[in-house]
Amino acid sequence: ETGVTQTPRHLVMGMTNKKSLKCEQHLGHNAMYWYKQSAKKPLELMFVYNFKEQTENNSVPSRFSPECPNSSHLFLHLHTLQPEDSALYLCASSQDPVTNTGELFFGEGSRLTVL
Amino acid sequence: GQSLEQPSEVTAVEGAIVQINCTYQTSGFYGLSWYQQHDGGAPTFLSYNALDGLEETGRFSSFLSRSDSYGYLLLQELQMKDSASYFCAVRAEAGTALIFGKGTTLSVSS
Repeated sequence: ETGVTQTPRHLVMGMTNKKSLKCEQHLGHNAMYWYKQSAKKPLELMFVYNFKEQTENNSVPSRFSPECPNSSHLFLHLHTLQPEDSALYLCASSQDPVTNTGELFFGEGSRLTVL
Repeated sequence: GQSLEQPSEVTAVEGAIVQINCTYQTSGFYGLSWYQQHDGGAPTFLSYNALDGLEETGRFSSFLSRSDSYGYLLLQELQMKDSASYFCAVRAEAGTALIFGKGTTLSVSS
């Protein structure tokens, strides 16, 4: 295993379902991020964790709940989502969010479809 | 608010040179990054500029002018495999995450 791994790669869920997205990084980094990528829109930052502590929450609705049990793992728990939440959810990591040189390592994303 | 502007699409032929511009309006500035993303793939880091001037890495170069809040990515000797989306990103405040532009789709034809 190398880099940043996300599972599942594809997920279809109803609005009443509860599901989770998982991210694992094998790079020894201290910071992890969730970004949302929708068509024709910029990558939107959702959450930042630094040394397992949440340092940024970009006004994300409470139906998205992040969890970072350790520096290598990041989860995004999903419940009662809306169709407009359908998007590609990208996880990323970096050595250190304070001093890093703008280099994030991204996973290939989890493509979420909400019916 | 924070915003980054870049063209939505650029087309070019193999062997050509293309420049993708990025202008930004952010509360602060700690560096401009560029990322490449192929269809179905992960964004991958290309370059980073914190100071004015040109940074060269092989066929790709990146330029920054902080006084103009402007930068560009220059791709030379274009190849078909360069067809992808290219994103500029800015760190607006120390210790905060990157803010991304909407991306530029580059199509390279033979």
